[in-house]
Amino acid sequence: EAGVTQFPSHSVIEKGQTVTLRCDPISGHDNLYWYRRVMGKEIKFLLHFVKESKQDESGMPNNRFLAERTGGTYSTLKVQPAELEDSGVYFCASSLRGKASPLHFGNGTRLTVT
Amino acid sequence: AQSVTQLGSHVSVSEGALVLLRCNYSSSVPPYLFWYVQYPNQGLQLLLKYTSAATLVKGINGFEAEFKKSETSFHLTKPSAHMSDAAEYFCAVTPNRDDKIIFGKGTRLHILP
Repeated sequence: EAGVTQFPSHSVIEKGQTVTLRCDPISGHDNLYWYRRVMGKEIKFLLHFVKESKQDESGMPNNRFLAERTGGTYSTLKVQPAELEDSGVYFCASSLRGKASPLHFGNGTRLTVT
Repeated sequence: AQSVTQLGSHVSVSEGALVLLRCNYSSSVPPYLFWYVQYPNQGLQLLLKYTSAATLVKGINGFEAEFKKSETSFHLTKPSAHMSDAAEYFCAVTPNRDDKIIFGKGTRLHILP
């Protein structure tokens, strides 16, 4: 079984530019989550999809962040325009429906905004 | 709101010694609790989870955790540390009515030869 894959693994962009992160969840996993870890701080929840619908986007920092999940398969997270404080590691995770199903994480995308 | 607190951002133990990583949770209802591990340049991997079936939970790689309601704790232990256990460990909680998982700040475990 293929795991959760994220692309790119690293991205370095300048302030004001746009970046799009992609996540391919495990096939059949309806739940898809985005998390972010800023250097030295905790892993923070950004949003949760159930299939193609946004179940909870309470963690999205501001309207510069846009997440989509086309057809309930892969997901993208776009940051436009990027700011310095957006730097960090963005993790995607997926899980089956059902209470406390474990999350399967991708290796993350390390975003550096200069 | 649900939350977890991990005591100690860095813990060092000698190879072969007991590993104890502390986690306390805050929850108004019985929670689901998890321990995840992150090795360098990898994603998070589930070590074990508590879902109210048994208070002592055994996980992978010889780790286990005990749910103590009276202490609101879910500490992670391993009897004998290996060099390969060096990693960052995260305690996490799922609110009862939500699938969102909330993570602690993480504890980096260092193994001394």
